[in-house]
Amino acid sequence: RKEVEQDPGPFNVPEGATVAFNCTYSNSASQSFFWYRQDCRKEPKLLMSVYSSGNEDGRFTAQLNRASQYISLLIRDSKLSDSATYLCVVNIRYTGNQFYFGTGTSLTVIP
Amino acid sequence: EPEVTQTPSHQVTQMGQEVILRCVPISNHLYFYWYRQILGQKVEFLVSFYNNEISEKSEIFDDQFSVERPDGSNFTLKIRSTKLEDSAMYFCASSKDRTSEAPLHFGNGTRLTVT
Repeated sequence: RKEVEQDPGPFNVPEGATVAFNCTYSNSASQSFFWYRQDCRKEPKLLMSVYSSGNEDGRFTAQLNRASQYISLLIRDSKLSDSATYLCVVNIRYTGNQFYFGTGTSLTVIP
Repeated sequence: EPEVTQTPSHQVTQMGQEVILRCVPISNHLYFYWYRQILGQKVEFLVSFYNNEISEKSEIFDDQFSVERPDGSNFTLKIRSTKLEDSAMYFCASSKDRTSEAPLHFGNGTRLTVT
């Protein structure tokens, strides 16, 4: 079973739409959670950390449900510049410091 | 803002040749990683490095691969005898420590093309 699973999409949404991505993780020992954004042929860049109480950064809202082992990312008022692949990343630190990546969800915002 | 730097940005090599990919992690970071991404596929973990030794490695990281931190700043990935299937983007990353506020920071990547 994969450590982190995401719907690969693609998601094609019109400008201004709200879109949500989901991610599930298998290891209940997972401790930290992140969303990264990756543009084509570029490195992943940290979009936001995900906190237990949920957190918001402008148009982006991240939620964590530890009981269901589920993370989400909501993007409101989508912009053309939001087109990218969004990676769910889970960190386990009980032994070492390991990061597990989902396959990524592809988003295209259409004018 | 400090960043991870990687050189070269693009490396072309012939099958069977050795390549060394270079990285300078962020200076106060303690954990170092190499990942690779074949075009159109997911980011794959290769190896993690802490306290001057490998802490974890994946099945991909076989005897053809090695890592080294030759001095206080550089972190290198060596592929001894490259294969066509080693063609990929190789990302170096570092993490400050093991706290919850320590995400991965990636370099710009080295695109390796094996012909």
